[in-house]
Amino acid sequence: SAVISQKPSRDICQRGTSLTIQCQVDSQVTMMFWYRQQPGQSLTLIATANQGSEATYESGFVIDKFPISRPNLTFSTLTVSNMSPEDSSIYLCSVEAPGQGYDYGYTFGSGTRLTVV
Amino acid sequence: LAKTTQPISMDSYEGQEVNITCSHNNIATNDYITWYQQFPSQGPRFIIQGYKTKVTNEVASLFIPADRKSSTLSLPRVSLSDTAVYYCLVRRDFGNEKLTFGTGTRLTIIP
Repeated sequence: SAVISQKPSRDICQRGTSLTIQCQVDSQVTMMFWYRQQPGQSLTLIATANQGSEATYESGFVIDKFPISRPNLTFSTLTVSNMSPEDSSIYLCSVEAPGQGYDYGYTFGSGTRLTVV
Repeated sequence: LAKTTQPISMDSYEGQEVNITCSHNNIATNDYITWYQQFPSQGPRFIIQGYKTKVTNEVASLFIPADRKSSTLSLPRVSLSDTAVYYCLVRRDFGNEKLTFGTGTRLTIIP
């Protein structure tokens, strides 16, 4: 399956600032997915990033708050803008490795634990 | 996609077989059932996926009855390291589809 490197692994940020999270995959993938996991909760999809086009955002998430870049087939960034304490969560990226078929599922990064103070 | 319902939490003793059942009453013909495992401070990890009857791999077995409205993840002879949250999901049968996570089942293994 694909290997994902996600950075930073954790950060503590001041409210009103922005943090950019990087996701690097060891193989070319068509789509990358960004999730948020609030403390003690399940995962919620933020957006889907397709190379060469604008990301598609889920209900409740907007581009101004969570801008996404997808400059090539192995890399994406998610920025959490103008942060507030409510943005404190774990942010994860995910991909479905090409050629693996349905038997291997999706691979997730280890996540970025963000604390906003 | 069909909504999934599973127990919020379960406890089991080491060495026992654990069965976690998931309900997905509105599953469609093109949907597969897939399970993920998540340890604290890690992203979810794919465990197993199936369409009908029984699927087995080195980690678990997945039982799906003929009506496919439910499924059961079976973990044989659990150990403390199996303590995790287990998510049951329904996904379409073509790639690069977004995953919708439910609440998951928090499994605690007791020594």
